[in-house]
Amino acid sequence: DVKVTQSSRYLVKRTGEKVFLECVQDMDHENMFWYRQDPGLGLRLIYFSYDVKMKEKGDIPEGYSVSREKKERFSLILESASTNQTSMYLCASSSRTGSGEKLFFGSGTQLSVL
Amino acid sequence: QKEVEQNSGPLSVPEGAIASLNCTYSDRGSQSFFWYRQYSGKSPELIMFIYSNGDKEDGRFTAQLNKASQYVSLLIRDSQPSDSATYLCAVTPVSGGYQKVTFGTGTKLQVIP
Repeated sequence: DVKVTQSSRYLVKRTGEKVFLECVQDMDHENMFWYRQDPGLGLRLIYFSYDVKMKEKGDIPEGYSVSREKKERFSLILESASTNQTSMYLCASSSRTGSGEKLFFGSGTQLSVL
Repeated sequence: QKEVEQNSGPLSVPEGAIASLNCTYSDRGSQSFFWYRQYSGKSPELIMFIYSNGDKEDGRFTAQLNKASQYVSLLIRDSQPSDSATYLCAVTPVSGGYQKVTFGTGTKLQVIP
C-alpha cells in the first residue's frame, strides 16, 4: 500500500525555534512536495524536489528551507519559527509520468507556533 | 483572477441525490485535471483524474472536462453521508519533468441523511 509518513501529527513550538518536519515515502517516487494548508487559502506549495539533493522553490518559500539527502526522505525546515507559520503542513510525493502529477499525501502535521 | 476557482460551498444535497461540483481554470495550457477528496482533519486523497474532453466514469463518480470552456466538474451519483467532505480541484500542464499542480480552495459537500 502506498505510504507517505510524516513524523509528527501535532507539534507546538515557540517563536524563534528551529523546526524540522520530516517526511518519508516508500513508493520510490522521484518527486516530493511540501504544502501548507490554511482555511480559505487552500493548498500552497512551499518547496518541491524532483531528485535527490535537488530542490525548487514553490509559491511561498520565504522562511523555509528543505533538504533531500535520500530519495525517500524530504525535510522541511523552519529556520526561525514565527506565529504566521502556524498551519497544517502536508507532504506529498508523486512519480514522474507524462500525465500530470498524481499526488499521494501524508497525514499532515498541525504546527502551532506560540 | 484565481488560477483555479471553486465555489467554497457548502453544497448541501439529500442522500441519494446527484451532487455536482464545479471548477474553472484560467491556464489554457492545463492538460491534466484531478479531483481530490479531503475529509475533515485528514489529508487529500486522489479520487478521479481526466485528461481528455468528455466524461470519465468510475463507480458513482463521473468527471467531466470541457477544455474550450475551461471547465471541469465532478458528479457524485447516489450521494451518501460518507461523501461529505471537501473536494479539491487540481490542474497541471503536461510538458515533461515537474508539472506544477495548482489547487482550487475546495468545495465543501454535505450529504443530508
